[in-house]
Amino acid sequence: EAGVTQSPTHLIKTRGQQATLRCSPISGHTSVYWYQQALGLGLQFLLWYDEGEERNRGNFPPRFSGRQFPNYSSELNVNALELEDSALYLCASSLGQGNNEKLFFGSGTQLSVL
Amino acid sequence: GENVEQHPSTLSVQEGDSAVIKCTYSDSASNYFPWYKQELGKRPQLIIDIRSNVGEKKDQRIAVTLNKTAKHFSLHITETQPEDSAVYFCAASKGSGGSNYKLTFGKGTLLTVNP
Repeated sequence: EAGVTQSPTHLIKTRGQQATLRCSPISGHTSVYWYQQALGLGLQFLLWYDEGEERNRGNFPPRFSGRQFPNYSSELNVNALELEDSALYLCASSLGQGNNEKLFFGSGTQLSVL
Repeated sequence: GENVEQHPSTLSVQEGDSAVIKCTYSDSASNYFPWYKQELGKRPQLIIDIRSNVGEKKDQRIAVTLNKTAKHFSLHITETQPEDSAVYFCAASKGSGGSNYKLTFGKGTLLTVNP
């Protein structure tokens, strides 16, 4: 069974540009979570999607947004990129529907903003 | 919201020794406490978890203890091996599902096991 897959693996952008990151959850999982992993800061919660809707949001500005598609895959969009957005962005999925404690992570997208 | 503190930030042990990583949480309503291991350049993987109705859970060389009164939980690794070298993250959440579900992570502990 395939795990959580993310693309691209690496993404290089310049300040002010927009970045789009993609995530495919494990088959059968309906919940998708996005976390930012910056050096020394652990995993910071960004967004949670379940059944196509945004369920919860972390303390990030509105230029961080996303969506979940009918097939439960998800996109994270970061607008007006800033240097401090450089980080590893991890996507995770879970069963959802009240069984969303165990998160399974993808390998991440390393975003570099120059 | 929930705040999870993790200590130490780095830990170096000799192969065969034990390693202990400690975490505290702020929200007394939290009831689920997983631990994730992230090897260099790889994804975080769940290694063990505990719920608030249990005080201790063990899986081979790994054990987790929970003290609800003090709001802290710990990861214990016995007979450490070089392949245990990784960053370990603790986390806490409350509820299972619900609109406010969120898993809050500590900042991680870099464990180095020296051969």
